[in-house]
This record gives sequence, C-alpha cells and structure tokens, in this order.
Amino acid sequence: DAMVIQNPRYQVTQFGKPVTLSCSQTLNHNVMYWYQQKSSQAPKLLFHYYDKDFNNEADTPDNFQSRRPNTSFCFLDIRSPGLGDAAMYLCATSGRGSSTDTQYFGPGTRLTVL
Amino acid sequence: SQKIEQNSEALNIQEGKTATLTCNYTNYSPAYLQWYRQDPGRGPVFLLLIRENEKEKRKERLKVTFDTTLKQSLFHITASQPADSATYLCALDTGRRALTFGSGTRLQVQP
Repeated sequence: DAMVIQNPRYQVTQFGKPVTLSCSQTLNHNVMYWYQQKSSQAPKLLFHYYDKDFNNEADTPDNFQSRRPNTSFCFLDIRSPGLGDAAMYLCATSGRGSSTDTQYFGPGTRLTVL
Repeated sequence: SQKIEQNSEALNIQEGKTATLTCNYTNYSPAYLQWYRQDPGRGPVFLLLIRENEKEKRKERLKVTFDTTLKQSLFHITASQPADSATYLCALDTGRRALTFGSGTRLQVQP
C-alpha cells in the first residue's frame, strides 16, 4: 500500500548531539511537511517542500534543518538538540499542496533528549 | 494573530450517544476546514473536508458543519462506539499550501 514511512519510530539522543530523522513516501506527492507535536498540543509546522522549493516557517529555530534529495525522501536534521526539542516529529505529504488537499501523515518519530 | 480553539477537556460519552466537538477560530477567513483523527502515538488521519460555501458535510456516522459567521465548525459522531475514542483535530488552510491545526479534543466513548 502507498504510504508515508518514518524511521526510526523512536530516537534517543543526547543533549547537543546531532540527530537526523527520515521520511519516505510512495504516494509520489509534490509536497512534504515536517511537524513537531508536543504532548496535548497541536502539530506545529516547521517547514515544507513543494518539489524542491523549501518553505521555512518564520518561527522555526535555526537548529532545525531539512533536506529533500528526491521526490520520495525528506530528512529533518536537528543540529544541537536541546531538552525542549523532545517531541513527536510527524512527516506528512499532500499531492499538490492546494487548500483542498488532504495531508497524509506518517506514524511519527518520538524523539527523547537526555 | 491567527488562533484555533478546541476544547482541551476530554469529552466522555456513553456508547450509542452523539458526540459533538467544537472548533472555533479567530483572525482567519479560511476557504476550507478539515477534521482529522489522531490515535495515541500515531499520526493524524484525514476524516472530512468542508468548504466555506457548504453548511454541512456527511460521511457515514460523521457530520461536520461550518459557520463562517460564527467562525465555528462542529463535528458530530452519531451512534458513537468505543472504537471512536481518539483525539480529533480541526485544521484550517492558511493559503500557503499549509494547514494550521488545533490542539484537538480527546473523545472517550464508554461501553
């Protein structure tokens, strides 16, 4: 089945140690999104790619970076994780990124920072 | 600034009853509104989309209303079942190929 896959499902890192989360999709969608979600809070959009066009949210910390080497894969790099970066990180895709597009989410990666 | 409000308190109802969840927004004029379901430790799953010119949308036991004057959407689950227990998120388009999500309301259906 076509889907959005995130690896790993659980990631433990140490304070300040760089970490990379990965997302892949078999939907051939143009748009890929990264969200951060903390407990009982709304998913917060960090950035998204429309094809190769990168769109950063204004309040996304510089500590967070992203790469999209091809249509299928997108990576979230956290350069120096702090305790406040512990959260669920969700990857999502949409076909064209129009207002009527639904978003397809992966299962998420739970990041723990020690 | 743009703001979406969903009741942060959990909604507890008995099986078979209708659950009604509320999504209020301010400083928005969205053309579309979406509802998603999120189970613990999982990503959200799309349920319904409603356009600003649609007053009501139905899908099986689900019904969504959208009142652009009140800036409110209501999400109803009729004949609720324990399997409907989850967090339900509303999301508004921001016109930038992105959605802004509410924090969700947790629904607990008691058998």
